[in-house]
Amino acid sequence: SAVISQKPSRDICQRGTSLTIQCQVDSQVTMMFWYRQQPGQSLTLIATANQGSEATYESGFVIDKFPISRPNLTFSTLTVSNLSPEDSSIYLCSALRDGGRYEQYFGPGTRLTVT
Amino acid sequence: AQKVTQAQTEISVVEKEDVTLDCVYETRDTTYYLFWYKQPPSGELVFLIRRNSFDEQNEISGRYSWNFQKSTSSFNFTITASQVVDSAVYFCALSEMRRDDKIIFGKGTRLHILP
Repeated sequence: SAVISQKPSRDICQRGTSLTIQCQVDSQVTMMFWYRQQPGQSLTLIATANQGSEATYESGFVIDKFPISRPNLTFSTLTVSNLSPEDSSIYLCSALRDGGRYEQYFGPGTRLTVT
Repeated sequence: AQKVTQAQTEISVVEKEDVTLDCVYETRDTTYYLFWYKQPPSGELVFLIRRNSFDEQNEISGRYSWNFQKSTSSFNFTITASQVVDSAVYFCALSEMRRDDKIIFGKGTRLHILP
């Protein structure tokens, strides 16, 4: 299995500011993703983080609000910009290793509270 | 459109009882993957199983078993002799085989195992 770490684990931010979340995988993976889990809700895919090119966003998510970087095969960042209370969620990074089993592993999540 | 329905929002059982978590899915694709993930109180998402649509064999792993029935579009999960450590939110999920990165999650079932 892949070990995924995220920083920070939680943060409280003021409205209008931004938060950048880091995701580190312990080995090279083919794909990395960012999900959002709103309070008491299920997970929703925000985007696929592509190495060396712009992320692929899902419907309802835009680059200006959720800029993503992936400079190499083991690291990605998600920024949540111009924060509002509606952005209070858990943000999870996940990675897919092409090892024939296609198991998608998830990081521990970053719990964001916007005040 | 793809959809995963977990009708049971919350279940409570006494320790050592068996419990089945229901999952019904919708997809127009003939090839797809089905998943179960566990999210304990710590928040981390733990991969439990991935099945492809070609393989309707039921699977058993220790106290866990999964019943995949294409005819009813169901992928139910049974925990035998439940333990308090099984208390968690369990998510059923679906992805298209032609795009196995995007996982559609159900809303989850919160399972309480009472001592």
